[in-house]
Amino acid sequence: NAGVTQTPKFQVLKTGQSMTLQCAQDMNHEYMSWYRQDPGMGLRLIHYSVGAGITDQGEVPNGYNVSRSTTEDFPLRLLSAAPSQTSVYFCASSYTGPAYEQYFGPGTRLTVT
Amino acid sequence: RKEVEQDPGPFNVPEGATVAFNCTYSNSASQSFFWYRQDCRKEPKLLMSVYSSGNEDGRFTAQLNRASQYISLLIRDSKLSDSATYLCVVYSNTGKLIFGQGTTLQVKP
Repeated sequence: NAGVTQTPKFQVLKTGQSMTLQCAQDMNHEYMSWYRQDPGMGLRLIHYSVGAGITDQGEVPNGYNVSRSTTEDFPLRLLSAAPSQTSVYFCASSYTGPAYEQYFGPGTRLTVT
Repeated sequence: RKEVEQDPGPFNVPEGATVAFNCTYSNSASQSFFWYRQDCRKEPKLLMSVYSSGNEDGRFTAQLNRASQYISLLIRDSKLSDSATYLCVVYSNTGKLIFGQGTTLQVKP
């Protein structure tokens, strides 16, 4: 099993550009989520999904969209990148939900200039 | 006040030392508690869950004090490979995971 994979590993964007961060898992997990990690702060939840076709907002959803068309994939879209979105983004999955072990992808380091 | 607070450190200890980290949480209705380990520029990985009765996994011991709303992680006989950031994570009654900012441990030879 590959576990949770994320692409790209690194990305530099200019302000106003859009892009999609890819996330996939091969563990048949129902619950998937996106976090951002900034220096001096804990991981903060952006969006999450409890199953295909169901998504919801987390703590910091502004500027981001998600969709979940399959159990395996959970892409995160930045609509119009801003310097405040410079961060490390982690995708995570778990079998049933947030109360259980989360499996994280390797992360995407995004810089917005 | 942050929902989950940790002393960011860094804690610099020699090999073989015992070191303890504390974490406090503000929501008394929090339900589940975890310690995750994050190596530099890597993803977090579950180190251990924290149970009400306390639990041990080799050199690692986790304790929960619901009355004072804190959890702790004790590492005995520290190894160089224990150098990492340790994240305190709380599952609250809002249905979300709340992450502390992490405590950095550096074990020196």
